[in-house]
Amino acid sequence: NAGVTQTPKFRILKIGQSMTLQCTQDMNHNYMYWYRQDPGMGLKLIYYSVGAGITDKGEVPNGYNVSRSTTEDFPLRLELAAPSQTSVYFCASSPGLDQPQHFGDGTRLSIL
Amino acid sequence: QKEVEQDPGPLSVPEGAIVSLNCTYSNSAFQYFMWYRQYSRKGPELLMYTYSSGNKEDGRFTAQVDKSSKYISLFIRDSQPSDSATYLCAAPLGQNFVFGPGTRLSVLP
Repeated sequence: NAGVTQTPKFRILKIGQSMTLQCTQDMNHNYMYWYRQDPGMGLKLIYYSVGAGITDKGEVPNGYNVSRSTTEDFPLRLELAAPSQTSVYFCASSPGLDQPQHFGDGTRLSIL
Repeated sequence: QKEVEQDPGPLSVPEGAIVSLNCTYSNSAFQYFMWYRQYSRKGPELLMYTYSSGNKEDGRFTAQVDKSSKYISLFIRDSQPSDSATYLCAAPLGQNFVFGPGTRLSVLP
């Protein structure tokens, strides 16, 4: 089973550039999440989705956008990259509310 | 004050030792608790999932919850070098999950 797949694994962006981080899951989970992980800070929720067509903001949504057109895919968009967005980004999915999440292996993003 | 706190470590132990990893939390609304293991350059993977106070055992791993003290623990018996990783505690709250910053564990052969 592939589980949760994230692409790319690494990326370097210049300030002001835009990019989309891809996430797809093959477990037919309704819930999907985007987190960023910074050293010593734990995982912070950026956006989440409870099903296709439904998204909502998490704790740190500024500078990001998401869409959920299918159950499988949940891309994260950075429109104007800033150095503060340098981080490791994780996508996760779960079958329902309060259920354990399954994580991808992350995208390491550097903004220079 | 962070909602979930952990000592970041690093914690180094010899192979075969019993390891105790701990989290404290401040929000009484937390009902469920999870422990995740994260290897370097990998995503977190679920180790244990507990709801009530008391102990839950799974192989070499035991999760303990003390809601009166707002304290959760993960014990690893007969620790192995393959247990070297960062351990995150987490609790769901509404649509969100609150994660601790993680404790980095090294088990030395």
